[in-house]
Amino acid sequence: DTGVSQDPRHKITKRGQNVTFRCDPISEHNRLYWYRQTLGQGPEFLTYFQNEAQLEKSRLLSDRFSAERPKGSFSTLEIQRTEQGDSAMYLCASSSQGKPYEQYFGPGTRLTVT
Amino acid sequence: AQSVAQPEDQVNVAEGNPLTVKCTYSVSGNPYLFWYVQYPNRGLQFLLKYITGDNLVKGSYGFEAEFNKSQTSFHLKKPSALVSDSALYFCAVSPRISSGSARQLTFGSGTQLTVLP
Repeated sequence: DTGVSQDPRHKITKRGQNVTFRCDPISEHNRLYWYRQTLGQGPEFLTYFQNEAQLEKSRLLSDRFSAERPKGSFSTLEIQRTEQGDSAMYLCASSSQGKPYEQYFGPGTRLTVT
Repeated sequence: AQSVAQPEDQVNVAEGNPLTVKCTYSVSGNPYLFWYVQYPNRGLQFLLKYITGDNLVKGSYGFEAEFNKSQTSFHLKKPSALVSDSALYFCAVSPRISSGSARQLTFGSGTQLTVLP
């Protein structure tokens, strides 16, 4: 399967703990996006990478959130000191240089903070 | 800032009947417009896009959408609904900006489509 993959698919953590999610984009895609989706809402943009450079961050991305894409391939999203309000589905998407507007999404990581 | 409205949380239609899922948008300039579908426990799947050209766009699984600039709408349509079309549908918009910049999508809140047998 050459689609976008995300790991883990589900994560349950206690408030205050740190969590890290991984996204592997489609191999030839140089653009990578993170979104967050809460119940009953559409996904909301968090951040964007072009190759290894993080070029844009939403104001939704508080200081507790950090994302990396060290070699321009996979990406990680870390949440420090999790809060119950962080409970959501975290989606990763990728797109190519030639079709930057056509994003392909992974299955998501569902985070539950207890 | 751009925004998307999907005025109907739920649309029910009988199998074999035509379906329409509504979407209106607000964005500066000419937009890129998209429809995605989300099945339970699966990621968002790309259905179709409007970039430029013909206002009627055809996509996957027999879906099509009509771009109406004067009404700032991009309604999703299908001539004959299938039970398997039941899913959550999202409309999204992206502004036309310079290459190299992010083309983050702004999504609507989604419309649950139920096709009744």
